Amino acid sequence: DTGVSQDPRHKITKRGQNVTFRCDPISEHNRLYWYRQTLGQGPEFLTYFQNEAQLEKSRLLSDRFSAERPKGSFSTLEIQRTEQGDSAMYLCASSLSSQGGGYGYTFGSGTRLTVV
Amino acid sequence: GEDVEQSLFLSVREGDSSVINCTYTDSSSTYLYWYKQEPGAGLQLLTYIFSNMDMKQDQRLTVLLNKKDKHLSLRIADTQTGDSAIYFCAEILGRLYFGRGTQLTVWP
Repeated sequence: DTGVSQDPRHKITKRGQNVTFRCDPISEHNRLYWYRQTLGQGPEFLTYFQNEAQLEKSRLLSDRFSAERPKGSFSTLEIQRTEQGDSAMYLCASSLSSQGGGYGYTFGSGTRLTVV
Repeated sequence: GEDVEQSLFLSVREGDSSVINCTYTDSSSTYLYWYKQEPGAGLQLLTYIFSNMDMKQDQRLTVLLNKKDKHLSLRIADTQTGDSAIYFCAEILGRLYFGRGTQLTVWP
């Protein structure tokens, strides 16, 4: 297993366009998280899945954002009608709930979104 | 759990020790973490401490936890230029909450 993979690494889009990002977690991990990180800030929680169920969404996740994890494996995060304020690094992480907290989350390298 | 605070910048000379401090908000956090982020990269888990511990040592890293003051610190011994990065403190309350990060710069 090569860890958490995110695709693409970078995305430049025009304001108003839709974008979709993909995350492939560590295969045996049942939990998957999306975070957003803007310049000079720490990662902010967006949403998380346990298997295919989306269990929590942050108030940061506006109606333009939707996330799916259809088969409990990879996940997609879609942003509709992008705005300049959506420019950020989008980080995906995964964990195994049965491990408890001691292993933390394993993060991917992120997708850098720039909205022009 | 949403106000994890850290100082933003720290500069040290190569070979010296670095101490990065953090205050967290919720005494019910079971684990506290230190993550490292290099430019353009994701977050790498450096170390963690369980809340019933006062100290944890892992090679050059020493974590100190003061639960009464909700204060966490990370000491890096013999700091190297390769340690230059942003260090995030995080607490877990259902999910991870992060501080803003401390930019560590190591001068040769």
